[in-house]
Order: sequence, then C-alpha cells, then structure tokens
Amino acid sequence: AQSVTQLGSHVSVSEGALVLLRCNYSSSVPPYLFWYVQYPNQGLQLLLKYTTGATLVKGINGFEAEFKKSETSFHLTKPSAHMSDAAEYFCAVSPTYSSASKIIFGSGTRLSIRP
Amino acid sequence: ETGVTQSPTHLIKTRGQQVTLRCSSQSGHNTVSWYQQALGQGPQFIFQYYREEENGRGNFPPRFSGLQFPNYSSELNVNALELDDSALYLCASSLDGGRNTGELFFGEGSRLTVL
Repeated sequence: AQSVTQLGSHVSVSEGALVLLRCNYSSSVPPYLFWYVQYPNQGLQLLLKYTTGATLVKGINGFEAEFKKSETSFHLTKPSAHMSDAAEYFCAVSPTYSSASKIIFGSGTRLSIRP
Repeated sequence: ETGVTQSPTHLIKTRGQQVTLRCSSQSGHNTVSWYQQALGQGPQFIFQYYREEENGRGNFPPRFSGLQFPNYSSELNVNALELDDSALYLCASSLDGGRNTGELFFGEGSRLTVL
C-alpha cells in the first residue's frame, strides 16, 4: 500500500526566500511521485512528477524536487519565493505497476508568502 | 483543447437525499477519476473509470457510485447523503487508462453542502 506524509500543514516564508516543502512516502513498489498545487477555488494543477531516470526533477514556476529513495523523500524546493506562489501544495504517490492504480495524495501544505 | 468541466459548481442538499455530479473529461482523455476533498484535507480517491468500466475504488461505501459514458464523460452519484459527505468533489481525467504514469487534469470541483 502507498501513503504520503507532508510535514507541516502551514509554511510561511518571506518573498525572495527559499521554499522547502517536505514530503515522505511509503510504497511497497517503486513509486511514481508528484507535486500538485491548488490555488483558491480552483482544481489541482501538476507542478512536477518523478517516474524514472534522473532523481532531480524540474517543474513549472521554478519549482524542483529530488527523489531520495534511501530517505523515502520527495521534498519540493524553490530558490526564491514569489507572492504568486501562495497556494496549497499536495504531494502524491502512485504505484508503478498496477492494473487499477490510483494516485494517493497527502494532506497538503499551505504556503504563505510574507512581503 | 477543452479542459475538464464539472457541474454543478455548488449545491446544497439535506441528509438522506441523493445527488448526481457531472464531469466532462479533457478532449481525448479516456480515464476519469473522482476524488473527495474535505475542508483542510487532501483529495481522497473514490474511484476511477476507464472505457466505461470501474477500474479501481477507494475506501468509500457502495452508496457512492459512478458511470462513464461512451464519450468518456462521467457521473458521480451519492445516495442517502450524510453530513460528512459535505466536501469538494473533484473530477480528473487522464490518458493512461489503468496505468497511472502521469498527469491528472483536474476540474475546479463541485462543492457539496449537506444540511
């Protein structure tokens, strides 16, 4: 079975500061990993995904994440926060091999940006 | 390219009633997944439909049911509504059938309030 734990339900950083959102996963098979963003009153949008290959994944809006198998982590980072980054961020996992697979989401981290 | 559209956007029901939520998948997508997102929580997987057949189900009771039509649009039906069914219901479409290799494209959701 797969599961996702996001550490910190709320993270606040200053504009221009480093953004670090933490995600740890549990999976009995090699996982696919995702970060989604949800702006107020909108659906979720894919930021980036890891399937196979390079463990450092770059996404939209300057975000990136690194898959660390030994730590079962997939933390999301951005070097310099912008006011428009304020949103809810969800880490998600799905199994690589399943005929009836589904994506499992974490409980989310709300990112606030201070001027 | 038409994105995922959901209707209605908001609705209010009373306990014991039944509700039908509708979703039109993104053009060319043959898979629809439904998620329930309670306030302050991550999306919880309800079920997935691929080529008009249920293709995986989360931990939801049988009063949550669905359909997928030949044009790949979908309905979520909930019978005997309970207060805890109050949530944002998200529909997501994708191309990969039963193999969740990548991106889910989300609609903006239907917000259900049960009184």
